[in-house]
Amino acid sequence: DAGVIQSPRHEVTEMGQEVTLRCKPISGHDYLFWYRQTMMRGLELLIYFNNNVPIDDSGMPEDRFSAKMPNASFSTLKIQPSEPRDSAVYFCASGQGVKNIQYFGAGTRLSVL
Amino acid sequence: DAKTTQPPSMDCAEGRAANLPCNHSTISGNEYVYWYRQIHSQGPQYIIHGLKNNETNEMASLIITEDRKSSTLILPHATLRDTAVYYCIVTGNTPLVFGKGTRLSVIA
Repeated sequence: DAGVIQSPRHEVTEMGQEVTLRCKPISGHDYLFWYRQTMMRGLELLIYFNNNVPIDDSGMPEDRFSAKMPNASFSTLKIQPSEPRDSAVYFCASGQGVKNIQYFGAGTRLSVL
Repeated sequence: DAKTTQPPSMDCAEGRAANLPCNHSTISGNEYVYWYRQIHSQGPQYIIHGLKNNETNEMASLIITEDRKSSTLILPHATLRDTAVYYCIVTGNTPLVFGKGTRLSVIA
């Protein structure tokens, strides 16, 4: 298996623009997680899905952030409008059955200028 | 979830065993101990987890004390590629919460 695939790997955008991050989980996995990592705040859970249904979005920082999982093989994290403080590395992870054994993607490094 | 305490950094000579400690004195009966690591510029990687028995897999061994208040992750023969931040996380059914971890430097 190719593992969790995230795209793009790097994204540079200007403040106010819409940003969409994409994730393809490992086939057969029923959990999907979105994390954000910064030097100041470390690795934070934003939202997670089970069987394509959002279970906990309490980590989503504000209404500018939204996440969807239209099917078992694809998820998006959208930021609209983006702000410089959204600059971070965003990781997607997936897991099967056991929620806390997770397999992470390589991440998307987002820079908002 | 129980809070964990890890040393901020450790060094280990290449080829020697790396023993990474974790204190979790407030762990409750249904909480597991998970270990992940994050190599620079990569996503975190699952290593091992356990409840109360010692566990071993192809990557590492996990030793949990009888009172479950602390544990040690053992990398039996550390290599330069094991240089990473190692996270000890204690949780039951709630999602993982990553702390600051231990930065392990394996030195040639």
